[in-house]
Amino acid sequence: KQEVTQIPAALSVPEGENLVLNCSFTDSAIYNLQWFRQDPGKGLTSLLLIQSSQREQTSGRLNASLDKSSGRSTLYIAASQPGDSATYLCAVTSNAGGTSYGKLTFGQGTILTVHP
Amino acid sequence: GAVVSQHPSRVICKSGTSVKIECRSLDFQATTMFWYRQFPKQSLMLMATSNEGSKATYEQGVEKDKFLINHASLTLSTLTVTSAHPEDSSFYICSALSWLNQPQHFGDGTRLSIL
Repeated sequence: KQEVTQIPAALSVPEGENLVLNCSFTDSAIYNLQWFRQDPGKGLTSLLLIQSSQREQTSGRLNASLDKSSGRSTLYIAASQPGDSATYLCAVTSNAGGTSYGKLTFGQGTILTVHP
Repeated sequence: GAVVSQHPSRVICKSGTSVKIECRSLDFQATTMFWYRQFPKQSLMLMATSNEGSKATYEQGVEKDKFLINHASLTLSTLTVTSAHPEDSSFYICSALSWLNQPQHFGDGTRLSIL
């Protein structure tokens, strides 16, 4: 059974810092990995999607890497801003079909606070 | 970008009421939709997977007679919480997927409060 772990559980940094969020998964047979952002009381916003054949994806100040063989992904946020404060969730789609098609396994999330 | 609309955003009702939540993919056809439940300060718990025109697949421990799912078209899935009780109070979120190599898109969630 796939298990996804995120560390740290919470992170508080001053504005402007570069930071790294970590995600690990137990079964390397994944189809892809997604990073999401969740604001309080809201749904999830997809930030980056990395296919299993890819090593990294970039969008603006965000960069996500994937090392499938070691079961790890990192989300790098450059020059953090107060508006980046949210919960960041990592999720993997396992390489399975049938009734498991598209099913995401989520980590518990990292609560990020960026203070001015 | 792809948008998923979830309605209503908040429901407050009496115990015993049935509540229907709609999830629509606005600008793409969703081969599969998913329904999640989220407890405070916890991650998302998958309740069921919904495919257009077929019965939903429920996760272990989720009562299919309690949480009725209908996926009548490629853009609409509904979750009905039947005879809701206070323990059903939670945050319910849907997501929609077009193809496996595409991002999964989420609605804004429905806060259900049963008095």
